[in-house]
Amino acid sequence: QKEVEQNSGPLSVPEGAIASLNCTYSDRGSQSFFWYRQYSGKSPELIMSIYSNGDKEDGRFTAQLNKASQYVSLLIRDSQPSDSATYLCAVHRRNTGNQFYFGTGTSLTVIP
Amino acid sequence: GAVVSQHPSWVICKSGTSVKIECRSLDFQATTMFWYRQFPKQSLMLMATSNEGSKATYEQGVEKDKFLINHASLTLSTLTVTSAHPEDSSFYICSARMGGTEAFFGQGTRLTVV
Repeated sequence: QKEVEQNSGPLSVPEGAIASLNCTYSDRGSQSFFWYRQYSGKSPELIMSIYSNGDKEDGRFTAQLNKASQYVSLLIRDSQPSDSATYLCAVHRRNTGNQFYFGTGTSLTVIP
Repeated sequence: GAVVSQHPSWVICKSGTSVKIECRSLDFQATTMFWYRQFPKQSLMLMATSNEGSKATYEQGVEKDKFLINHASLTLSTLTVTSAHPEDSSFYICSARMGGTEAFFGQGTRLTVV
């Protein structure tokens, strides 16, 4: 079983719609959760972090964490063509030498 | 967010030569640095984790004698690809973190071995 699993997509949404990206993780000891965005040919950039159950909002982005279900999601409201990228979910576990585990990423295309 | 600078951004080298990639945390002290490799249209693959002043921990299948990692200070880690071959051509990315916070990525280095 992979540490972090994401639907690879591709996910296509029309401009202005809500894009929903999902991620599950295998270890209940995971403590910190992150969403990174990676444009083609570029390095990932951090867009959201979440540490406790519930929702965390930052502009058009909302991260949701449900530790009981081992589930993390990212919602992008009012999607823009510039949001087209691969979104990586990352999980941090302190009990494994401070390792970060990344999902394989979900490719998102926002259609104008 | 914190700034991680990676250099060079791209490099072309001849087969059999060695290439050094630097990763610097510019405005924070990085207790841990990670090195990743990413092939086209694939996800990040963790190669190794290094803590300042100690030997790097390599992931399974990554040759430590081929990919030399040095983390000599809290702001600098280097990855040296020794005796590079065309199959080593890839996008190499470092990331750095301090304490229990997020990891920040360098810009990446595109290595082409000819």
